[in-house]
Amino acid sequence: GAVVSQHPSRVICKSGTSVKIECRSLDFQATTMFWYRQFPKKSLMLMATSNEGSKATYEQGVEKDKFLINHASLTLSTLTVTSAHPEDSSFYICSAPEAGGGNEQFFGPGTRLTVL
Amino acid sequence: SQKIEQNSEALNIQEGKTATLTCNYTNYSPAYLQWYRQDPGRGPVFLLLIRENEKEKRKERLKVTFDTTLKQSLFHITASQPADSATYLCALVWYGGSQGNLIFGKGTKLSVKP
Repeated sequence: GAVVSQHPSRVICKSGTSVKIECRSLDFQATTMFWYRQFPKKSLMLMATSNEGSKATYEQGVEKDKFLINHASLTLSTLTVTSAHPEDSSFYICSAPEAGGGNEQFFGPGTRLTVL
Repeated sequence: SQKIEQNSEALNIQEGKTATLTCNYTNYSPAYLQWYRQDPGRGPVFLLLIRENEKEKRKERLKVTFDTTLKQSLFHITASQPADSATYLCALVWYGGSQGNLIFGKGTKLSVKP
């Protein structure tokens, strides 16, 4: 199947700093990518839909100015957590849909963010 | 609002037995339902998809059923192995939802004892 990578896999930062997380589709192009957040023992929650060439679409309750999304190319989307706070500590996962309009989602390995 | 529930937070079974995991949803039937496997500290991996008009899907030792009357999907792993130990997530997309707007359950952590 298709491969989606994320970088970094883990990051620890100080409160108030910004952190950028990259999501790449390695062997296919993705005009759309999705960013999820997962707390321990909780469901994955969709944060936003990243669209190549246009603005991201955010889910209700997700702050656009806090979670900046840029879909720079057909294989790269970035999520920047700005002015991070300890409550932003979480597991962030991106996904990209199967090419050709299929329904399968390919997920990245996730990024563990810890804000001190 | 639409809700999805995976009844058991954890399921422990003996190697060789069949594991059965349950996923229930409320309100309207989804366009399709997916099952994923997630290992600790990793992203979910797609296993199976079943559509509203399908009753059953199989893939090797995996079987998924979909009962729109009961509003329930069952996920079976036959001849379970310790390597099957993981958290299994069900996810739904409802009509009118975008392709990526999967609504996930909390997952069921399966432990297969040798």
